[in-house]
Amino acid sequence: QSVLTQPPSVSGAPGQRVTISCTGSSSNIGADYDLHWYQQLPGAAPKLLIYGFSNRPSGVPDRFSGSKSGTSASLAITGLQAEDEADYYCQSFDSSLSGSVFGGGTKLTVL
Amino acid sequence: QVELVESGGGVVQPGGSLRLSCTASGFTFSSYALHWVRQAPGKGLEWVAVISYDGRNTFYADSVKGRFTISRDNSKNTLSLQMNSLRVEDTATYYCAKGGPGWLDAELDNWGQGTLVTVSS
Repeated sequence: QSVLTQPPSVSGAPGQRVTISCTGSSSNIGADYDLHWYQQLPGAAPKLLIYGFSNRPSGVPDRFSGSKSGTSASLAITGLQAEDEADYYCQSFDSSLSGSVFGGGTKLTVL
Repeated sequence: QVELVESGGGVVQPGGSLRLSCTASGFTFSSYALHWVRQAPGKGLEWVAVISYDGRNTFYADSVKGRFTISRDNSKNTLSLQMNSLRVEDTATYYCAKGGPGWLDAELDNWGQGTLVTVSS
């Protein structure tokens, strides 16, 4: 059971918009620690997708966006494409654990 | 471009030891924190440990505290993870990752391809 909670799975048709939530607490997101998102394609290493809640590294399409609300964060993917099918993880620092934490991961299926 | 290459994985018996290495290039190694992250087969990512840019500060996940030691050699651009008293549940692909600007809540902006550690009798 991770301290960052994500839905196990989400799905959407090509072209649609999907969102993935990441619910934290007062010891991580609520303590003003940054939250980041990673994409892991099948058989590949994770790749940074969003940093600092809403910033995209160079090369990441603007179809991917992130936001924060209280002790939660969300990743939105618009114009869904088959190549977006992957596992998505949120990550932050937790002061109670004195270490980084990952969410349990969300598997995105493109129908 | 940034490159991180892990090595040292393999099969080890429960209770045994293994030392992982990560060789880095393409950035000023001594300026950034470095992390180990693992992923058990078919499971999610689990953060393992972090070491500060100068090696003076380290943090560990509770699951490995007292058994694993993270270290770095800034003269050789190398990150290491000494793993002792290994357990079956330590079986995973181990990734090294470079921290972004900042410290404890910085993003992991570059990842290696991982090295597989299997703990089995």
